[in-house]
Amino acid sequence: GQQLNQSPQSMFIQEGEDVSMNCTSSSIFNTWLWYKQDPGEGPVLLIALYKAGELTSNGRLTAQFGITRKDSFLNISASIPSDVGIYFCAGPHTGNQFYFGTGTSLTVIP
Amino acid sequence: DVKVTQSSRYLVKRTGEKVFLECVQDMDHENMFWYRQDPGLGLRLIYFSYDVKMKEKGDIPEGYSVSREKKERFSLILESASTNQTSMYLCASTLGSSYEQYFGPGTRLTVT
Repeated sequence: GQQLNQSPQSMFIQEGEDVSMNCTSSSIFNTWLWYKQDPGEGPVLLIALYKAGELTSNGRLTAQFGITRKDSFLNISASIPSDVGIYFCAGPHTGNQFYFGTGTSLTVIP
Repeated sequence: DVKVTQSSRYLVKRTGEKVFLECVQDMDHENMFWYRQDPGLGLRLIYFSYDVKMKEKGDIPEGYSVSREKKERFSLILESASTNQTSMYLCASTLGSSYEQYFGPGTRLTVT
């Protein structure tokens, strides 16, 4: 199946720092989704992007739909301890199937 | 409040046992999904279902089967568990053509 590669695989940052992560695909996607998984829980949708070049914010989170439609970026500003978790990108395949990225694990050091 | 529940948070089974993982959603969603999550591999789709008694294979269906007898319930079955099926299993559901998947808390299965 399709592979969505996320970078970096893990991050250790100080509280208050900004975070950037990205997701790349070998195929074009028409929609990009970003999920966050808290420790011990299932993923929860953070942001959905529907148009190439689109920039969308959700509080301290900002995501961008890459212009080539083969990548997407997620930024978190002024990180706080509750930002800890695994962040996944996802893109829809046929129907309601989705491909998920390999994940970026974020640790915030107080 | 939307809810997807999974029957167990942790499960330990022996090689060769038949294992049932249950998932129930209370949102009247048509679509339900089973994923497994492994470090460095993300979430991989095992099976999904668009309607009662309907099922489709995902990317890694080998060694698994599913059952959907009622709209709210989607079961994942490991006919003969093997150690390489040790993993976190996540169930999800969506409404119609919506892209927002609602996930359960996951079942961490260990096969010894």
